[in-house]
Amino acid sequence: GAVVSQHPSWVICKSGTSVKIECRSLDFQATTMFWYRQFPKQSLMLMATSNEGSKATYEQGVEKDKFLINHASLTLSTLTVTSAHPEDSSFYICSAREARAGTEAFFGQGTRLTVV
Amino acid sequence: GNSVTQMEGPVTLSEEAFLTINCTYTATGYPSLFWYVQYPGEGLQLLLKATKADDKGSNKGFEATYRKETTSFHLEKGSVQVSDSAVYFCALRTQGGSEKLVFGKGTKLTVNP
Repeated sequence: GAVVSQHPSWVICKSGTSVKIECRSLDFQATTMFWYRQFPKQSLMLMATSNEGSKATYEQGVEKDKFLINHASLTLSTLTVTSAHPEDSSFYICSAREARAGTEAFFGQGTRLTVV
Repeated sequence: GNSVTQMEGPVTLSEEAFLTINCTYTATGYPSLFWYVQYPGEGLQLLLKATKADDKGSNKGFEATYRKETTSFHLEKGSVQVSDSAVYFCALRTQGGSEKLVFGKGTKLTVNP
């Protein structure tokens, strides 16, 4: 199947700093990318949907100024957690899908963010 | 709204045991149903899917049948292996719109030799 690479796999940062997470589709053009957050023993919560070249659509309750999403190319989307706080510590997962209707989304391996 | 409920884990089985992980859903319209698997340290992988009622998805010995009358999509495997140890997620995707996936909470399976 198609490959989605997420980087870094884990990151530790200090409170107040910003962290950028990259999501790349390695062998297909991802017109749509999704960002999820996963709490321990909880389900994946969709944070936002981004389409290449346009602004991301955020789910209700997700602060768009805190979680900046950029999808500038068909193979790369980034999530920047700005002014991180300990409560932002979580597992963040991206997925990417081609433009054709009905195609499946492929998932990255996730990024473990710890804010200290 | 749309939601997925799956049995809470963790589930611990011996090798070659029979596996069932229950999944029920609530959705408007006719969703597609999925099982994803997450092996330790890896991202989610699509295990199987079914797009309409009575469809059976199957892969790697796992099966699940789309039951509209009971709004269920239970995952089964007749004989589990140690390598099946992972977290399993049931999910639905509604037709049309943004095609978002709605996930259950996940069930951790551990298979002992």
